Amino acid sequence: DAGVIQSPRHEVTEMGQEVTLRCKPISGHNSLFWYRQTMMRGLELLIYFNNNVPIDDSGMPEDRFSAKMPNASFSTLKIQPSEPRDSAVYFCASSPRGGYNSPLHFGNGTRLTVT
Amino acid sequence: SQELEQSPQSLIVQEGKNLTINCTSSKTLYGLYWYKQKYGEGLIFLMMLQKGGEEKSHEKITAKLDEKKQQSSLHITASQPSHAGIYLCGADGSPHAGNMLTFGGGTRLMVKP
Repeated sequence: DAGVIQSPRHEVTEMGQEVTLRCKPISGHNSLFWYRQTMMRGLELLIYFNNNVPIDDSGMPEDRFSAKMPNASFSTLKIQPSEPRDSAVYFCASSPRGGYNSPLHFGNGTRLTVT
Repeated sequence: SQELEQSPQSLIVQEGKNLTINCTSSKTLYGLYWYKQKYGEGLIFLMMLQKGGEEKSHEKITAKLDEKKQQSSLHITASQPSHAGIYLCGADGSPHAGNMLTFGGGTRLMVKP
């Protein structure tokens, strides 16, 4: 079991550029979550997919953020255009059932720095 | 929405000492999860508590759930430097499938050798 795989591990970009973060969930897990972690706000849920369908994106900060899950083994989180306040660690997590009493398995995150 | 308050926010203990971290919810707890995070890494799942009064242990870490108080505690016995990191509690938003996990702000633990 390779775990949840995220890429890249680190991303440094200039304000205004497009950023794409990638995630491969654990095989067989039908739910996928994108979280953002900062010192000020802690761990915040951005969006949640179940069976590749976005269930709740109320945590997505604004229209600059978009997420897709074209198939069960791949998801992307895109920021366009990026801003310095988007600097954070972005985590992807997956779970077997995505529901009640179902622990999340996290990737190692992507540390994004927008200058 | 559910909010989780962790205390203390940070903790420095001498190796060998016991410690307790608390997690209090603003709403009913349906499922409570404890995770550990090391700097630069993802969250590692430690334990899940489902029922009031439930207690689980893994090596020197014990977690309890007090449903009435809407609170969970994590206790480490005879702490070691390997226990250092950030401990986060997470909770199910509802007792149904399709819910989302909310997390507390974390407790940063440092163990002095």
